[in-house]
Amino acid sequence: NAGVMQNPRHLVRRRGQEARLRCSPMKGHSHVYWYRQLPEEGLKFMVYLQKENIIDESGMPKERFSAEFPKEGPSILRIQQVVRGDSAAYFCASSPLGQNFGNTIYFGEGSWLTVV
Amino acid sequence: TQLLEQSPQFLSIQEGENLTVYCNSSSVFSSLQWYRQEPGEGPVLLVTVVTGGEVKKLKRLTFQFGDARKDSSLHITAAQPGDTGLYLCAGVLENNDMRFGAGTRLTVKP
Repeated sequence: NAGVMQNPRHLVRRRGQEARLRCSPMKGHSHVYWYRQLPEEGLKFMVYLQKENIIDESGMPKERFSAEFPKEGPSILRIQQVVRGDSAAYFCASSPLGQNFGNTIYFGEGSWLTVV
Repeated sequence: TQLLEQSPQFLSIQEGENLTVYCNSSSVFSSLQWYRQEPGEGPVLLVTVVTGGEVKKLKRLTFQFGDARKDSSLHITAAQPGDTGLYLCAGVLENNDMRFGAGTRLTVKP
């Protein structure tokens, strides 16, 4: 999947713990997107970030979820006090800076969170 | 509510049949993409369409972007079991934001 790296690929957490998912975009990409996918469903937009900025977080739950994309290092999606309903696949995607028309985004292979 | 509505949600056909899946919206997109996703993997880009009315062919797959850039269709000719998967459309808005449809889950039986 074109170089977007996500880790961990699989994460198991007990209810109440924190889950931290990391995404390193493709080289040269400064736009990052996070999506959540529940079993047997499509992708649900969560948040769109550029370096050090949250551009659109309209898909993020109001509580317990946060995302960042620092100047250095990967983007992080953090889920605090996880509940069973947070169990899902979380996909990260990236795109090049400033490419609006014909914009192509590339997906990572996902991080599967299981809350027990 | 989904910005992009995909139909049908599920489709099960026999090998060799033709099919069309649809992606509709009331919003205008600067571009639209189709992805295929297999279980346990991330979505893989199939095509990007940019111009209203554009038609692109990828072997047995034909993609069309509506004239008004609000909708798209994917037609598969002579489907094969290897075409089985979740087909997702995604529209890119003017602000570089992207939204996905919920997908069409296709099963092609041998």
